[in-house]
Amino acid sequence: ELKVEQNPLFLSMQEGKNYTIYCNYSTTSDRLYWYRQDPGKSLESLFVLLSNGAVKQEGRLMASLDTKARLSTLHITAAVHDLSATYFCAVDMDNDMRFGAGTRLTVKP
Amino acid sequence: ETGVTQSPTHLIKTRGQQVTLRCSSQSGHNTVSWYQQALGQGPQFIFQYYREEENGRGNFPPRFSGLQFPNYSSELNVNALELDDSALYLCASSLDLGGGGEKLFFGSGTQLSVL
Repeated sequence: ELKVEQNPLFLSMQEGKNYTIYCNYSTTSDRLYWYRQDPGKSLESLFVLLSNGAVKQEGRLMASLDTKARLSTLHITAAVHDLSATYFCAVDMDNDMRFGAGTRLTVKP
Repeated sequence: ETGVTQSPTHLIKTRGQQVTLRCSSQSGHNTVSWYQQALGQGPQFIFQYYREEENGRGNFPPRFSGLQFPNYSSELNVNALELDDSALYLCASSLDLGGGGEKLFFGSGTQLSVL
């Protein structure tokens, strides 16, 4: 059964600092997604990674995929308060999208 | 705004009742997926519809059923509600062109409470 594990589950960081969120999954897949969810809101698509070695960047966020290691990372550069949210990774297996438990990020001034 | 609308936004039901949740997909999208998100957890895949046919199903019992209409709007029906069905129900639409890896556009969800 496909399992998707994120760590850390909770992350508190200072503004201006860098950090990485990790997403491990248990079976072969080359479709990895990152989403953001603000409290009480729906999910916003951040990145779609479709091949080994894929790297995508948007503002202070950069996502990468290593399909051989079954690992994706979401790197945060010089965090700002507006990045505070819950971040989910998700893996697509034959139209079954499995989400991780989420990383709740708090960026403090 | 994603262009995906869900109704109602909130709903309270009692155990044993039936509920229908509705989703209007983003214009031009041919695929809709439904997810259940319990408080503090990641969304769990319920099922997906592509051109009015079920195209994938997660680990949910048959009392969870769905429909997709010719205009690509969709319904999620849940029969014999249980307390554990209390959750945020999200629908997401996408345009499946056959290549995979389509971006999902989520609605704001329906918060269902079962008492």
